[in-house]
Amino acid sequence: NAGVMQNPRHLVRRRGQEARLRCSPMKGHSHVYWYRQLPEEGLKFMVYLQKENIIDESGMPKERFSAEFPKEGPSILRIQQVVRGDSAAYFCASSNPGQGDTGELFFGEGSRLTVL
Amino acid sequence: GEDVEQSLFLSVREGDSSVINCTYTDSSSTYLYWYKQEPGAGLQLLTYIFSNMDMKQDQRLTVLLNKKDKHLSLRIADTQTGDSAIYFCARASASKIIFGSGTRLSIRP
Repeated sequence: NAGVMQNPRHLVRRRGQEARLRCSPMKGHSHVYWYRQLPEEGLKFMVYLQKENIIDESGMPKERFSAEFPKEGPSILRIQQVVRGDSAAYFCASSNPGQGDTGELFFGEGSRLTVL
Repeated sequence: GEDVEQSLFLSVREGDSSVINCTYTDSSSTYLYWYKQEPGAGLQLLTYIFSNMDMKQDQRLTVLLNKKDKHLSLRIADTQTGDSAIYFCARASASKIIFGSGTRLSIRP
């Protein structure tokens, strides 16, 4: 039973390029979350998606960042025109809320973006 | 200030108990969590506590919740080298989970 799969694990981009990070949730999970982790900082919430719907994007920067979770395929976090400050680890987590749910999130191993 | 606060570092001697503390601002959370992150990996849930509980024990782990002071702690008994990691306090908030900055636990011989 595969866990949350993220790829690529490491991505290097030059300033101005685009970065695409993919996340396949755990089997049976329909809720996906993206978090960003900067050095010496905690995880900052970015966005919460269900299939074909953005539920909460209150943590997404207003420009250059977008996320989707299509009916088929992985969730994608897209960063356009990357800048050095976008260098971070981006974590995806999934859940399948239901009765008695504790809200536990299952995390992938992260995608580490380096912007040169 | 930050919603969930923790100290950044803790160093303990192998075999001693580790106590990691956390404070939060919003008392409406139903669940509070402790997650563990090992180097180069994602986070894994260690334990959680429901907001109507004061204490929860699970083998070497003890979670204490003081709702009045909005204080959560994690005690690890008989700390081992394998416990070296970053420990995140977190709380449930509407549609998401909010994490603290993490406490890096290091073990000295």
